[in-house]
Amino acid sequence: ETGVTQTPRHLVMGMTNKKSLKCEQHLGHNAMYWYKQSAKKPLELMFVYNFKEQTENNSVPSRFSPECPNSSHLFLHLHTLQPEDSALYLCASSQGGGSSYNEQFFGPGTRLTVL
Amino acid sequence: AQTVTQSQPEMSVQEAETVTLSCTYDTSESDYYLFWYKQPPSRQMILVIRQEAYKQQNATENRFSVNFQKAAKSFSLKISDSQLGDAAMYFCAYMASNTGKLIFGQGTTLQVKP
Repeated sequence: ETGVTQTPRHLVMGMTNKKSLKCEQHLGHNAMYWYKQSAKKPLELMFVYNFKEQTENNSVPSRFSPECPNSSHLFLHLHTLQPEDSALYLCASSQGGGSSYNEQFFGPGTRLTVL
Repeated sequence: AQTVTQSQPEMSVQEAETVTLSCTYDTSESDYYLFWYKQPPSRQMILVIRQEAYKQQNATENRFSVNFQKAAKSFSLKISDSQLGDAAMYFCAYMASNTGKLIFGQGTTLQVKP
């Protein structure tokens, strides 16, 4: 696999379920990002990790819990979600982050539906 | 706060013709970057072109070019010789230097007619 991969590609869950989204980058990057893409709204940055440390939390509700065990993997743990959390969740990575411009490479996204 | 506005929800162009997508932004920063991303139906977001704010010369990438008007805070994308594969949603995005935070516009869906 090359680039940025995300699993699963589609996920349907109930409001009481607990699930996790996984992102893996094979580009040797040090920064990883979670974005939310809802219908009729701009992409919203959720979290930023630089060298495994969280450097940005864009006022995301606590029912979304990110985890970055190493520079290649990023998870988004989901619990007690609401129907309005249904969206496309995109992961991205870049070479370093915050110190200068580095192109962000995006994964294909996970389409999440909360029933 | 920085904002990015794309006022054209949908655009269409005839194959081989030229189309321009509009984008305006608001910022008080002097050092920043601007981008156009393409998101085809497969959903993989791809960088099309980028512009450094300190550069006066407009960026070009093959059939894609921008018209960067810093004073007017305008950043339009011109696609020349449009191809069927150009059909996608196009997002304009802004990043202040030293932040790594991309701020996206609402997107413009481009249809290419054969």
